[in-house]
This record gives sequence, structure tokens and C-alpha cells, in this order.
Amino acid sequence: ETGVTQTPRHLVMGMTNKKSLKCEQHLGHNAMYWYKQSAKKPLELMFVYSLEERVENNSVPSRFSPECPNSSHLFLHLHTLQPEDSALYLCASSQDRVGNQPQHFGDGTRLSIL
Amino acid sequence: GENVEQHPSTLSVQEGDSAVIKCTYSDSASNYFPWYKQELGKRPQLIIDIRSNVGEKKDQRIAVTLNKTAKHFSLHITETQPEDSAVYFCAASISGYSTLTFGKGTMLLVSP
Repeated sequence: ETGVTQTPRHLVMGMTNKKSLKCEQHLGHNAMYWYKQSAKKPLELMFVYSLEERVENNSVPSRFSPECPNSSHLFLHLHTLQPEDSALYLCASSQDRVGNQPQHFGDGTRLSIL
Repeated sequence: GENVEQHPSTLSVQEGDSAVIKCTYSDSASNYFPWYKQELGKRPQLIIDIRSNVGEKKDQRIAVTLNKTAKHFSLHITETQPEDSAVYFCAASISGYSTLTFGKGTMLLVSP
């Protein structure tokens, strides 16, 4: 299934670097999400976009900056990250943001901060 | 906000046995309950979901039951196979809101 594609799959960066994660969905969905997945923790919702408008920001540090130029693309810009930011970052999409619809996930970007 | 508890954290069964994973939720307004399967190094994939207007839903070897009064729902896998080995996540959400609140996951190991 290639409905939601994330690049890169793996990323190693230093704490002073700036990088971006990319997500693209080919499902015609209107809502897109960023999640952080750390070991032994529930999936943590970071950001929600609906029709390119940010509708939720769950107290995420400003070193994470999302961008949604259109309903098919979502970016997560990273700068001055900390070691505890090392995790799997998952992108997801759903038809709309009405809460009772399934979300479709990408394969994630495995991020390691040196 | 919503809180979802999932048990057990690890479950080991023999091939052919049944496996049951249980979740409880705190917000009685929650009305959508999906289950996701995540194999090692792969994306979470929706395997079954249930809405609060039904008590049970079945899809081949997988079934989900919902008890709204007790605020818990369970995933049942019958005749388990080694390829069922994965981490399973439950989640809950309220219609009209975008947030899915996930449980911590259950690692299911099916031994041949």
C-alpha cells in the first residue's frame, strides 16, 4: 500500500542541524497528522491539519515546525533538536477530521539525534 | 481528556490458540474504536474498527466487542498464526473531534 509516503525513512542529525520530514498522501484525504512514536509510550499526536489549516497543536516544542502547502503534502521542519526527540515520526491522513474515521499511516521516519 | 488503558503489554500464545487484548477508556462520549496492527519496522495498519452503535463486529479470525456501560472494548483473534505476531494498538475518539487517543500497545508473540 502506498497511500501515504514518508521520506526519508531514516535520518541521523546533530543537535544543531536543520532538516525536514516529508509526507505525501495519494488518497484524496482532507486531514493530515504528525505523530511521534517512542518506545513503550502511546502514539503521541503532534499536529493536525484540515484542508491545509492547522487545527491542533498539542503543546509541541517550537523546535518542531509543521507546514502544509496543500492537502496532499505535509512537512515537519526540525531545528535544534534534543536527544529525547529521537523517535519514529509517523504521518497519517483521514478523509476528514471528524474523529470517527480511520487514519491511514505512512511507514514513518526513524529519527536519531546525536 | 480521553485516557485509554491497554492490557496486557505482552502476550505470548501458541499457534492455534486464541488471543484477547483489552482496552478501557475514560470518556463516555467516545464513540469510535479502531484497532491497529504494527509489524516490526512497518506502519500501523487498521485491522478492524467498531462504532458505539454496535456491540460486536467480526472479520474472519478477528472480532472486536464493545461494552459501553463498562467503557471497555476487546480484540479477539482466533486460530492465531505466526504472522499475527505484531504490536496491536487500540484507540478511541469522539465524533466531531480529530484526536485518536491510543493505548500503549500489546506485543503479541505467536509461537509455531
